[in-house]
Amino acid sequence: DAKTTQPNSMESNEEEPVHLPCNHSTISGTDYIHWYRQLPSQGPEYVIHGLTSNVNNRMASLAIAEDRKSSTLILHRATLRDAAVYYCILRDDSSASKIIFGSGTRLSIRP
Amino acid sequence: NAGVTQTPKFQVLKTGQSMTLQCAQDMNHEYMSWYRQDPGMGLRLIHYSVGAGITDQGEVPNGYNVSRSTTEDFPLRLLSAAPSQTSVYFCASRPIQSRLNTEAFFGQGTRLTVV
Repeated sequence: DAKTTQPNSMESNEEEPVHLPCNHSTISGTDYIHWYRQLPSQGPEYVIHGLTSNVNNRMASLAIAEDRKSSTLILHRATLRDAAVYYCILRDDSSASKIIFGSGTRLSIRP
Repeated sequence: NAGVTQTPKFQVLKTGQSMTLQCAQDMNHEYMSWYRQDPGMGLRLIHYSVGAGITDQGEVPNGYNVSRSTTEDFPLRLLSAAPSQTSVYFCASRPIQSRLNTEAFFGQGTRLTVV
């Protein structure tokens, strides 16, 4: 399976945008890029996913590089509730039955 | 909708005891899976299932058994608990259609301590 690389931790200020990077230099043409987050003491929750084009939803935006070797999860206006571990995951047809998590990025929000 | 329900929320076992962690979903999802999360770590896949009667091993299957007799339920069994199995366990489910293009739903977790 293609691997992802994320910074261990990031900090941001409340009400400011947050850009969470993810490198996936070995991504294949059929890999989807998924993002999940895990709030403290909770199970993971889905955030967003994409294949080639940038994606927006009510929670976040996903910007995918033209060569697809990296992507960025964008929280447009961080709140304290966005403090969580964010996981960037690649999913292809060979692993369609399972989701494998990496170590993620721990995002802290300063009031 | 209840979503994914895990029981119990907390459990303390003695070494060598057996128990079953329950997971049920009411969304008619074909895929179900079990993860464990040790303190400060990411989630690791234990076992997963693509439908009733079908199960497969994940990254860390040793010491755990699963079965999938119905679409709704996917219990995880510890036959002889060991302190190394102290962890938080999460169950997840998702639908099968468009296999790469669907989100997974997670339960709230079972915090297991083996003494």
